[in-house]
This record gives sequence, C-alpha cells and structure tokens, in this order.
Amino acid sequence: EAEVAQSPRYKITEKSQAVAFWCDPISGHATLYWYRQILGQGPELLVQFQDESVVDDSQLPKDRFSAERLKGVDSTLKIQPAELGDSAMYLCASSIRGGAGTSNEQFFGPGTRLTVL
Amino acid sequence: DAKTTQPPSMDCAEGRAANLPCNHSTISGNEYVYWYRQIHSQGPQYIIHGLKNNETNEMASLIITEDRKSSTLILPHATLRDTAVYYCIVRVRLASGSRLTFGEGTQLTVNP
Repeated sequence: EAEVAQSPRYKITEKSQAVAFWCDPISGHATLYWYRQILGQGPELLVQFQDESVVDDSQLPKDRFSAERLKGVDSTLKIQPAELGDSAMYLCASSIRGGAGTSNEQFFGPGTRLTVL
Repeated sequence: DAKTTQPPSMDCAEGRAANLPCNHSTISGNEYVYWYRQIHSQGPQYIIHGLKNNETNEMASLIITEDRKSSTLILPHATLRDTAVYYCIVRVRLASGSRLTFGEGTQLTVNP
C-alpha cells in the first residue's frame, strides 16, 4: 500500500539552529499539506500546496518557516532559526486532485518529532 | 469551517460497540462530516465521511442526525488496536482539497 514518507523521524536541535524536514507524498497526489501538532493538541495546518504552488500558508510563521515543493512532488519544510516553542510533531499529508465524486481524504505520514533544546 | 464538540475521553470493552458522539450545531449545508483517528505516535488516519446520509465502510459506520447538528461514529466490535484519539471534523469539500481543522478529539481506550 502506498504511503507518505517523511524523514527524519526524530530531530533534536538547539535553539537558533536551522532544521529541515522532508516529505514524499503518495505518487500522483497533487495536493500536499504540512501540519504541526503540539503535544496534547490536534494537528494544525501550516501550509498547503497544489502541485508546486502554495494555496494556503495563512498559518505559517513566515519570519522563520519556509516550505517549498519545487517540482510538485516532494517537499521540504525549513525552520530557521528554531525556537523552544517549535518543539512538536510535524506531519505531512497528501491527497489526490479533488473533484466531484472524490472523497478528498488526506493520507498522513508518520511525522517528524522535533525537540528544540 | 464549523466547530465541533467531542467528549475528551471514553472507555469501551473489547468486542463491544464503541459509539463516539460529535456535536456540530453550526454546520453549513455544504459542509461534510469527517472522522479521523490517531494512534499514539502515528499520523492521523482517515476513517469515514458523510454529508447527510448514514455511511458504512469496512472500518466504521457514521450516523448523522436528520438536522445534521450531530453525528455518531460507531466501531461495531472494538479491539485493543482501536485505542486512539478520534477527531470529528466538518469542512467544505473543495476540488483542490481543503484544510482539516482538528479539535482535541476523543481519547478512546478499549479495555480487555
């Protein structure tokens, strides 16, 4: 069964350092999402791509976070500089290009757990 | 997207039906009800969705009230592996996909 791949699974860094997370969506999925999940809370959308274009980044802290999906396939989320409050699980999800009759369900990867010291 | 209200936790005996309620009294006519679950240390997993009719798949059944202001997710024969946080989400289904707005969900614990 096709899955969303993410790496690394765990990352420990010191504050003010730069970190990057990688996501490879399910083949053929045009829409890619990055979510952040703080311990004890539900995931929160950071950014959504349709192919290579950003369609929603309203919740992305743009002073320190950036995301790209240059060829419309895999994606990278970067934080620079990392802060203590960025400690969380970063989840990537993908879905097919939606339309009438599709469920538009999102498939999630296993996440990257970031700890900022 | 409409807000949802779920109990923070529920318990269920293994082999029995688990009935998870969700209130969404401000749901709009074009908003769907989605259910996802998240097993500890894993990403969320899609379970089921519906608009106004009851739905059933291999994982669960979704019962939506006639006024659409509440719904119930039913796991007919809960197993220990069903222990997870269950999220009820209402959202518009867009052609380009749309964000899932997660609340805090219901922690379901299935006991042996």
